Amino acid sequence: GQQVMQIPQYQHVQEGEDFTTYCNSSTTLSNIQWYKQRPGGHPVFLIQLVKSGEVKKQKRLTFQFGEAKKNSSLHITATQTTDVGTYFCAGTLKTSYDKVIFGPGTSLSVIP
Amino acid sequence: NAGVTQTPKFRVLKTGQSMTLLCAQDMNHEYMYWYRQDPGMGLRLIHYSVGEGTTAKGEVPDGYNVSRLKKQNFLLGLESAAPSQTSVYFCASWRENTEAFFGQGTRLTVV
Repeated sequence: GQQVMQIPQYQHVQEGEDFTTYCNSSTTLSNIQWYKQRPGGHPVFLIQLVKSGEVKKQKRLTFQFGEAKKNSSLHITATQTTDVGTYFCAGTLKTSYDKVIFGPGTSLSVIP
Repeated sequence: NAGVTQTPKFRVLKTGQSMTLLCAQDMNHEYMYWYRQDPGMGLRLIHYSVGEGTTAKGEVPDGYNVSRLKKQNFLLGLESAAPSQTSVYFCASWRENTEAFFGQGTRLTVV
């Protein structure tokens, strides 16, 4: 079946270091979304990428959607303790309706 | 505009008891999904609905039932709770091509 994978599962970084999480789908996606979940909280939407090769930035966060629309990445520059949480990618498959598949998430810990 | 509201927020059940989790959204969204989240397991889809009166199974549907009688409400039922259903349950809703809005979660413990 369709799958969305993320690596790494966990990442521990020193504050100020960069961080990247990768998302890969076995199927071509119509779009990819990224969410952040703080410890004890619920997932919150960060961004949506739709076009092949699209790159979007939000302050220190850079999101990319691959040319084949099967992979995506989230890069955080100079991490801060406020970046702690789990980052999920979610891929949308276009069928007769939107089928959204979440990746397993990457848990980021930032050591001050 | 409350977004997505889940009730209850916390619940402790005894094995074999039944309960219903309610998800309500006031954004007129077509899609509503129920997930469970366990440590290190990410979000696993239990059941989902793509419109009023429709429901479908996700990847972990066993032991759960759902109903979407009204567009704004999506109910998740546990007929006979088991300790393996101890988890945090999240409901999400969205409209096509837009982001998902999640509820605050329901922390369920089955003893």
